[in-house]
Amino acid sequence: DSGVTQTPKHLITATGQRVTLRCSPRSGDLSVYWYQQSLDQGLQFLIQYYNGEERAKGNILERFSAQQFPDLHSELNLSSLELGDSALYFCASSVGPSDTQYFGPGTRLTVL
Amino acid sequence: DQQVKQNSPSLSVQEGRISILNCDYTNSMFDYFLWYKKYPAEGPTFLISISSIKDKNEDGRFTVFLNKSAKHLSLHIVPSQPGDSAVYFCAASEEYSGGGADGLTFGKGTHLIIQP
Repeated sequence: DSGVTQTPKHLITATGQRVTLRCSPRSGDLSVYWYQQSLDQGLQFLIQYYNGEERAKGNILERFSAQQFPDLHSELNLSSLELGDSALYFCASSVGPSDTQYFGPGTRLTVL
Repeated sequence: DQQVKQNSPSLSVQEGRISILNCDYTNSMFDYFLWYKKYPAEGPTFLISISSIKDKNEDGRFTVFLNKSAKHLSLHIVPSQPGDSAVYFCAASEEYSGGGADGLTFGKGTHLIIQP
């Protein structure tokens, strides 16, 4: 158990809908990262927050957004969902931006 | 274009022997490398890392070797055990070069199967 928690574990929704994925980092970690793992693309970095502020962006679509709250938990919002958004979404956390990242168990999103 | 490549989708090794997993990268700005292990239905678990100022790092049965000139790293597991059967991901970042926290760039993974 890495200490990073993600909810829900599974999410099934329809195209065009909006969902929110939640992540609680390890105790003491200030950085949160979001990754998407799809069958063809592997693990892709989406976005990073550090102590409530956005720090880096990767391959995140404009339909996706995230935030980190004062209690350091983070939410990833996915809107106007398409079939191709079906994937595993992982959250990771680290003490600081340059420290080892520890991953949560992931949320499996299925868009029908 | 894939910046981190793991060219072997799978590898089968006998229990007790050495497992060698390979990874190549193309981005010369990468200066920190990690290996993660992943079981089905779980998130990646950190195994071992190495910065570009070193060429070897060892932790128990796991050793990572870095050849900067060849842009190649490898993970050695000795001796291999049945519990090592998992998917292994190589990852890289530019953290120590001041490039900031761009997140990790992952390879597509190698499925290691340890045969009894």
